Amino acid sequence: DAGVTQSPTHLIKTRGQQVTLRCSPISGHKSVSWYQQVLGQGPQFIFQYYEKEERGRGNFPDRFSARQFPNYSSELNVNALLLGDSALYLCASRSVPGLAGRGTDTQYFGPGTRLTVL
Amino acid sequence: AQSVTQPDIHITVSEGASLELRCNYSYGATPYLFWYVQSPGQGLQLLLKYFSGDTLVQGIKGFEAEFKRSQSSFNLRKPSVHWSDAAEYFCAVGGYNKLIFGAGTRLAVHP
Repeated sequence: DAGVTQSPTHLIKTRGQQVTLRCSPISGHKSVSWYQQVLGQGPQFIFQYYEKEERGRGNFPDRFSARQFPNYSSELNVNALLLGDSALYLCASRSVPGLAGRGTDTQYFGPGTRLTVL
Repeated sequence: AQSVTQPDIHITVSEGASLELRCNYSYGATPYLFWYVQSPGQGLQLLLKYFSGDTLVQGIKGFEAEFKRSQSSFNLRKPSVHWSDAAEYFCAVGGYNKLIFGAGTRLAVHP
């Protein structure tokens, strides 16, 4: 089975531009999460989507938005890019969020999209 | 506040030597704990996870980790390191909808 796929692999933008990153989850997985990994740091949670609804949001400005499609793929959009948005953006999928309020199932990560803002 | 601390930023070991990577967490409830590995330019690969039960968990590639509630720790170990283990290792604690990661430990392996 194919793992989590992300596109594009690399992206170069200039300050003020907008960018859209794409993610396809593992077949059968209905939940997608997005993480930002700045060089030298651990990943930081941005969003979780399940059944096309936002189920969680990290401490990121409104310039960051996302959506999930009926086929459970997802897009992450970032507007008005800043130099500090340069990072590896990771997508993770899992079958379903924890039904008892805890995410007990494993998140599987894609290879990421490397965004460079000049 | 929920957090994960990996005290060692860089570790260098010789091939064949044993390895222990430290992880301490702060979490209000029973933690669900994970170790991921990231090779240069790659995404994250799950090594092992702890949800409940036996506090010593076995993972892939010969790794194991021990959950110690009294010390709020979840240290990763391997008895004999291979050159291919050189990578960055992340400890994470899981909540309802997100993982909280430590800053990572970069492992270098000398031949």
